[in-house]
Amino acid sequence: NAGVTQTPKFRILKIGQSMTLQCTQDMNHNYMYWYRQDPGMGLKLIYYSVGAGITDKGEVPNGYNVSRSTTEDFPLRLELAAPSQTSVYFCASSLDSAAEAFFGQGTRLTVV
Amino acid sequence: AQSVTQPDIHITVSEGASLELRCNYSYGATPYLFWYVQSPGQGLQLLLKYFSGDTLVQGIKGFEAEFKRSQSSFNLRKPSVHWSDAAEYFCAVGHSWGKLQFGAGTQVVVTP
Repeated sequence: NAGVTQTPKFRILKIGQSMTLQCTQDMNHNYMYWYRQDPGMGLKLIYYSVGAGITDKGEVPNGYNVSRSTTEDFPLRLELAAPSQTSVYFCASSLDSAAEAFFGQGTRLTVV
Repeated sequence: AQSVTQPDIHITVSEGASLELRCNYSYGATPYLFWYVQSPGQGLQLLLKYFSGDTLVQGIKGFEAEFKRSQSSFNLRKPSVHWSDAAEYFCAVGHSWGKLQFGAGTQVVVTP
């Protein structure tokens, strides 16, 4: 049982480049989340989804986009990378909002 | 607006001593409450959760938490800390409409 899988684990981007962080889960969870974690700031919710075809903004959505075409996948897109997007990104999933969230191992992104 | 506050950024505790981590939330109704732990370089792991019923909740690794509605608190405790408990701890609030919101975290250092 793989749980939540994120790729890549590490990435360095140049300013202005774009990339997609991949997230897939094999637990048939309805809810999926993207967070960014910065030192001393905890986890900030970027986007979340309550099911395929449904997404909504979190606390810090600017500069990001998401899609949820299937239950399993929830990719996060950075269109024009900026240094402020240097962070560790976590994807998570849960059966519903009251259930335990399972986290991926994270993607460490550096924008230079 | 809903919020989650962990007043202590950093706590140092001696091995074998007791530990209490504070969490306060602001929310219009009784939320779903969680405590997660993050070891260095890892994702987050659920320690325990509260939805309703008994206000004292037991979790994994010998942790417990008490929900106090009158104080809007959900403090985490452990009677005797082990060196392996050194990690960052996050309190989180789940909302019925899908968002999972985290506090800024408390870094726990365990000294011999």
